[in-house]
Amino acid sequence: AQTVTQSQPEMSVQEAETVTLSCTYDTSENNYYLFWYKQPPSRQMILVIRQEAYKQQNATENRFSVNFQKAAKSFSLKISDSQLGDTAMYFCAFMKPFSGTYKYIFGTGTRLKVLA
Amino acid sequence: GAGVSQSPSNKVTEKGKDVELRCDPISGHTALYWYRQRLGQGLEFLIYFQGNSAPDKSGLPSDRFSAERTGESVSTLTIQRTQQEDSAVYLCASSPTNHYEQYFGPGTRLTVT
Repeated sequence: AQTVTQSQPEMSVQEAETVTLSCTYDTSENNYYLFWYKQPPSRQMILVIRQEAYKQQNATENRFSVNFQKAAKSFSLKISDSQLGDTAMYFCAFMKPFSGTYKYIFGTGTRLKVLA
Repeated sequence: GAGVSQSPSNKVTEKGKDVELRCDPISGHTALYWYRQRLGQGLEFLIYFQGNSAPDKSGLPSDRFSAERTGESVSTLTIQRTQQEDSAVYLCASSPTNHYEQYFGPGTRLTVT
């Protein structure tokens, strides 16, 4: 069975600095998708970034980028130029499409606090 | 456009009572998910609907939990004979066909006293 592990329950970073959140996963599959979701204190979860396992190039969305190491089964999120609005819970998620089903497995989350 | 909505936003109920939680997905989204999020924890998959296919109920924790969805519209999650351990935020998400991004609702915070 697939598992997703986020080993950092809480982190903090100074505004404008860079922070990296860790995620490792366990799977025997070759084709799958990885995601980082953000859940601000208001509770609404939104997608930050997505990575297809068959792509070697790391995904980037503005200040957010990933370091995808397929062999190591590692998928870390780097936030550059951190802003106060980045304060949130961040969840790493794994999804393997199979026969038309799309079921996600989430990690336990990392609570990030950006300090002014 | 309108996002995923859930109601009620908060629900307090007494142990042993039944509760019904509602999710209105984004129009046209064929996939719908329910998750449970206990305080300080990650998302626990409960059930997944995809179009007219049989739902994937593999995450439902007990037979006290059930969910329905009519076509590609609203879904209701019902918890019968609620227990204190059912206290959590229940999140709903929807997704278009063959699309890998989930769009989440704001959740329903359930407190069982």
